[in-house]
Amino acid sequence: EAQVTQNPRYLITVTGKKLTVTCSQNMNHEYMSWYRQDPGLGLRQIYYSMNVEVTDKGDVPEGYKVSRKEKRNFPLILESPSPNQTSLYFCASSPSGGRNTEAFFGQGTRLTVV
Amino acid sequence: AQTVTQSQPEMSVQEAETVTLSCTYDTSENNYYLFWYKQPPSRQMILVIRQEAYKQQNATENRFSVNFQKAAKSFSLKISDSQLGDTAMYFCAFMKHAYSGGGADGLTFGKGTHLIIQP
Repeated sequence: EAQVTQNPRYLITVTGKKLTVTCSQNMNHEYMSWYRQDPGLGLRQIYYSMNVEVTDKGDVPEGYKVSRKEKRNFPLILESPSPNQTSLYFCASSPSGGRNTEAFFGQGTRLTVV
Repeated sequence: AQTVTQSQPEMSVQEAETVTLSCTYDTSENNYYLFWYKQPPSRQMILVIRQEAYKQQNATENRFSVNFQKAAKSFSLKISDSQLGDTAMYFCAFMKHAYSGGGADGLTFGKGTHLIIQP
């Protein structure tokens, strides 16, 4: 089954404790991206990757890191999480360099930083 | 940069009624794609319908259809014969066409409309 898998689905952590949210897709898509969703703000892009070893900032990259060592994986790293990073996070993938088609979304990760 | 505006934070209609969700956008691009995504309480992002800007014909998917007005930069979603399962957040989104040039872009989303279908 074609899918984007995020883990964990729920995470509660403390300020400053490094964490990683994993994202994996089995559709051989070149383009992957991370979004955060906040009430009243919709979804905003954090980082994206056009292909292996090619990443770039989206609209709200501060406080986040990403890597793309393999085509299927695109982890989101919070080196020192802060309460303002409490949010719902989505990973998405699509073929053709991110254009010409719709994005496939993971199930979402609800992150709470206390 | 693109912007997407959904002016209705929340709407409520009776089951079986028809409802229209509005979306406007601003862009200098000529070729692009527009989407409506549904997000039910499960939080999953589900593609409802997709429109390519170079196609004049409005897209339809069963009970869902759009009214795409390119000159007015408007992209509304009509849901006919609404059902309880249509209760969800609905997001309008914009994506540049591959041949538009410039840097890579993902989706630009509106802030969403919370649609409630009453029994």
